[in-house]
Amino acid sequence: QVTLKESGPGILQPSQTLSLTCSFSGFSLSTSGICVSWIRQPSGKGLEWLATICWEDSKGYNPSLKNRLTISKDTSNNQAFLKITSVDTADTAIYYCARNLPGMDAWGQGASVTVSS
Amino acid sequence: DIVMTQGALPNPVPSGESVSITCRSSKSLLYSDGKTYLNWYLQRPGQSPQLLIYWMSTRASGVSDRFSGSGSGTDFTLKISGVEAEDVGVYYCQQGLEFPLTFGSGTKLEIK
Repeated sequence: QVTLKESGPGILQPSQTLSLTCSFSGFSLSTSGICVSWIRQPSGKGLEWLATICWEDSKGYNPSLKNRLTISKDTSNNQAFLKITSVDTADTAIYYCARNLPGMDAWGQGASVTVSS
Repeated sequence: DIVMTQGALPNPVPSGESVSITCRSSKSLLYSDGKTYLNWYLQRPGQSPQLLIYWMSTRASGVSDRFSGSGSGTDFTLKISGVEAEDVGVYYCQQGLEFPLTFGSGTKLEIK
């Protein structure tokens, strides 16, 4: 059974760095063809892809967030990570991680992140 | 970036009726391997999205055969044959051909 679970700080202040962890089970990020993506969704709005990391360590980023994103993985501990620097209120959203194989076939429950002073 | 444009539904839809949700991409999603990299998702109220269709027409594991996907390289349709109460939510198309991955803005389905 494939499961993913996101964790994060919940609330943070503008200009801080958001660090998110995706802990998963039922698959390995060292298996050929497997990737993990991060997607976010502001309240009442649509889905926005942020970044993807794959088994061979290739990465893709949403250019609309410029150089604020860093995605990484810890294959041994079945985790993927996303950092977003210099957050502001526009980064308030639910953040999801998903296995990407093809299509995002398994999603976490989402982690709510609020940016507020 | 590839822009994904979705159509709207004439909500609310009577239970048991069949509906088609349209999606158009600004670039062909047909790759040299013969696969078309178009995915469909359903996000039920208060839930995470779930994959319905990948490679334009392949149903994901456990998805009802009432859902079917079709299309060309740039124009796509998700058909729901006989809508049921559990089909309520927002449907998204997404291109998986190239980074940045992009989603359509979503199509809401309400049932009468």
